[in-house]
Amino acid sequence: AQSVTQPDIHITVSEGASLELRCNYSYGATPYLFWYVQSPGQGLQLLLKYFSGDTLVQGIKGFEAEFKRSQSSFNLRKPSVHWSDAAEYFCAVGALNTGFQKLVFGTGTRLLVSP
Amino acid sequence: DAGITQSPRYKITETGRQVTLMCHQTWSHSYMFWYRQDLGHGLRLIYYSAAADITDKGEVPDGYVVSRSKTENFPLTLESATRSQTSVYFCASTGTGDSGNTIYFGEGSWLTVV
Repeated sequence: AQSVTQPDIHITVSEGASLELRCNYSYGATPYLFWYVQSPGQGLQLLLKYFSGDTLVQGIKGFEAEFKRSQSSFNLRKPSVHWSDAAEYFCAVGALNTGFQKLVFGTGTRLLVSP
Repeated sequence: DAGITQSPRYKITETGRQVTLMCHQTWSHSYMFWYRQDLGHGLRLIYYSAAADITDKGEVPDGYVVSRSKTENFPLTLESATRSQTSVYFCASTGTGDSGNTIYFGEGSWLTVV
């Protein structure tokens, strides 16, 4: 079965600084990978997804992620963080053999943005 | 408005009572899901449905019942609520084909069992 690890529970970044959130997955074949963002009291919004092809994926709000098969990683990046990016971020993996719709989520990383 | 809506948004109930959380989507998506979100666990899949009258268990189904008589509705019932079921519950949906790559989430239902 697939699994996802987000090793950082909290990350604090200064506004304007770059951001990288880590995500490692476990799955034997090519996974379907997603990043979601959750603002306080809200549902989850899709930032970006990787199914196949180019390993550098662009998403909404200036985010990007890179799929690295050799490292089983799908880290989320943003070159310049804005205060409005403060939220919780979830990495998720779907698998072809279980239907990509059944996602397994990581435990999340809470991003704090300092002035 | 189109979208996915959950009700109630907030609920306090007593141990042993039956509670039903409603989920309605207007996209005619074939797939619908129920997740629960708990601190330290992220989101865990409770049940999902691939189409009307087709449901299957997820990772944490015990204590929950679902039904899907209509494509647009996917209610989640806690038959006899326990304190361990205090959580935030998210309904989600997705279609097939090009629209099937994105799973859309509702805004959540906060349930407290006392």
